[in-house]
Amino acid sequence: GENVEQHPSTLSVQEGDSAVIKCTYSDSASNYFPWYKQELGKGPQLIIDIRSNVGEKKDQRIAVTLNKTAKHFSLHITETQPEDSAVYFCAASPLSGGYNKLIFGAGTRLAVHP
Amino acid sequence: NAGVTQTPKFRVLKTGQSMTLLCAQDMNHEYMYWYRQDPGMGLRLIHYSVGEGTTAKGEVPDGYNVSRLKKQNFLLGLESAAPSQTSVYFCASSRQGLNYGYTFGSGTRLTVV
Repeated sequence: GENVEQHPSTLSVQEGDSAVIKCTYSDSASNYFPWYKQELGKGPQLIIDIRSNVGEKKDQRIAVTLNKTAKHFSLHITETQPEDSAVYFCAASPLSGGYNKLIFGAGTRLAVHP
Repeated sequence: NAGVTQTPKFRVLKTGQSMTLLCAQDMNHEYMYWYRQDPGMGLRLIHYSVGEGTTAKGEVPDGYNVSRLKKQNFLLGLESAAPSQTSVYFCASSRQGLNYGYTFGSGTRLTVV
């Protein structure tokens, strides 16, 4: 069935280091891949997304890469800051469903230590 | 510009009680969704709606009902709450069509004792 696997489940880095979160998806027809950041006590917030006609997208310190052949995509955060500490979710849009369906990964808890 | 507003933010129910969670969006989005979030389980879709007057089941619909009488509102009901429904509930909305990101509300933390 449709599935998105996300790794690692927890990630601890020192301020200024880079952080990478990886996701794999099962439906090869998926063509939209958003990333969400969830801060403590808040709802997930869309931070960046990528579509299948693009291999990489960057927005300041965050970037997302997509490898459609291998069916995986990654979130890269450079020069991490304490305010980057949050839970990050990846998602993929399968072809089935008939609506704007998203399948979410289980999440990665990122801790950035000063 | 409120986005997606959920009420209440917190609630404690006794087993067997009923309640309705309210979700309102002011972005004129056609699609709306209800998710539950449990530790280690990520986000699981309960029900969704692709327009006023329409609803459909998601991944974990048992024990819940929904209604979309107005385009801007999506209600989630628990007729007879069970401890297994203790969770954080998120409402989300998106534009009509495929491959659009969701806008989430801030969540309702529900505890059933």
